[in-house]
Amino acid sequence: DADVTQTPRNRITKTGKRIMLECSQTKGHDRMYWYRQDPGLGLRLIYYSFDVKDINKGEISDGYSVSRQAQAKFSLSLESAIPNQTALYFCATSQFRPGASEQFFGPGTRLTVL
Amino acid sequence: GDSVTQMEGPVTLSEEAFLTINCTYTATGYPSLFWYVQYPGEGLQLLLKATKADDKGSNKGFEATYRKETTSFHLEKGSVQVSDSAVYFCALTMNTGNQFYFGTGTSLTVIP
Repeated sequence: DADVTQTPRNRITKTGKRIMLECSQTKGHDRMYWYRQDPGLGLRLIYYSFDVKDINKGEISDGYSVSRQAQAKFSLSLESAIPNQTALYFCATSQFRPGASEQFFGPGTRLTVL
Repeated sequence: GDSVTQMEGPVTLSEEAFLTINCTYTATGYPSLFWYVQYPGEGLQLLLKATKADDKGSNKGFEATYRKETTSFHLEKGSVQVSDSAVYFCALTMNTGNQFYFGTGTSLTVIP
């Protein structure tokens, strides 16, 4: 089974709808992240969380919110979706170790907002 | 702030050609450096990493050396295969591991 899973894998929705993307991990990592990927822009950080009670905004948090329901679960919400939120969304996890941290990514959710 | 700049693509090579993808970084301290690969329809996966100056990361025939003097971490492979076709991302994180900074990605297509 995959260590980092995302649901759904694909979603088409309409402008103004509320959408939730979910991420679960079995790696036991404390840190979880949400990114979006757009062509030519690489990955941009939306939100990150270092434990259940810790939530931090990333580079592009406007229009998004998150919830860390448990150590293993981190969900991303779009309260009122708009077309320019059409993108590929990735969840990632990491466990801090000095000099050795790396991120582990889920398979992504392709979101289309019409 | 901390950032990564990598060579723009797309890059198209013939099988068995030599590959170089350039990556330079800006950081206030001494980062750890990574190359990630994204195959079509998949998430990113770690290809190799280096945690201090002069370290060489290597995996699957790919290599990159952490050059502090030129703030670079160029990815190389001596002989590419069709199966290497993917998008490659350079990334860094500082010692706190709080955030990771990614380049914009370089798309590689290898033709038979």
